[in-house]
Amino acid sequence: AQSVTQLGSHVSVSEGALVLLRCNYSSSVPPYLFWYVQYPNQGLQLLLKYTTGATLVKGINGFEAEFKKSETSFHLTKPSAHMSDAAEYFCAVSESTGANNLFFGTGTRLTVIP
Amino acid sequence: GAVVSQHPSRVICKSGTSVKIECRSLDFQATTMFWYRQFPKQSLMLMATSNEGSKATYEQGVEKDKFLINHASLTLSTLTVTSAHPEDSSFYICSVFRRTSSSYEQYFGPGTRLTVT
Repeated sequence: AQSVTQLGSHVSVSEGALVLLRCNYSSSVPPYLFWYVQYPNQGLQLLLKYTTGATLVKGINGFEAEFKKSETSFHLTKPSAHMSDAAEYFCAVSESTGANNLFFGTGTRLTVIP
Repeated sequence: GAVVSQHPSRVICKSGTSVKIECRSLDFQATTMFWYRQFPKQSLMLMATSNEGSKATYEQGVEKDKFLINHASLTLSTLTVTSAHPEDSSFYICSVFRRTSSSYEQYFGPGTRLTVT
């Protein structure tokens, strides 16, 4: 079974500051890991994903995440926050072995302070 | 460009009526689509898996007779909320599953906000 824990339902950063959104997962099989962003009243947009290979994954809009198996983590980072980064961010996990259901975390709302 | 579309984007209906939501895969044929529900300030919860040409698979606790899913073609899945009640008011999001040679991904639609009065 898979599950995701996102620490911090709300994160506030100043414009230009480092963004760090935390995600820990639980999976009985090798996981696929995803970060999605959701703007108000919109669907989800994929930021990045880890499937296999390099553990540091780069995504769109300057975001990146690192898969750390020993820590069962997949934290999302961005060196310098922009106002346009303000949104809801969801971490998700699925199995790599064939099942394709996505299990989502509860989300983290990022606020960027001018 | 958009890979998945949903129609309508917003709908208001009266209690007791039925509402149909369409999910279309624009760029590729999809044998599998997913339907999620998102309550305010909460995460997405999978409702059902829609399989082209066969019956949908519902998650535990989701009433299949209330949330009718039809996946009649490789590009269209519909979700019909029957006899809607105010507690069905939510944001409904579909996704399209695509498998590649190395992995797979879900592409999400823009969502449909249903308000039942």
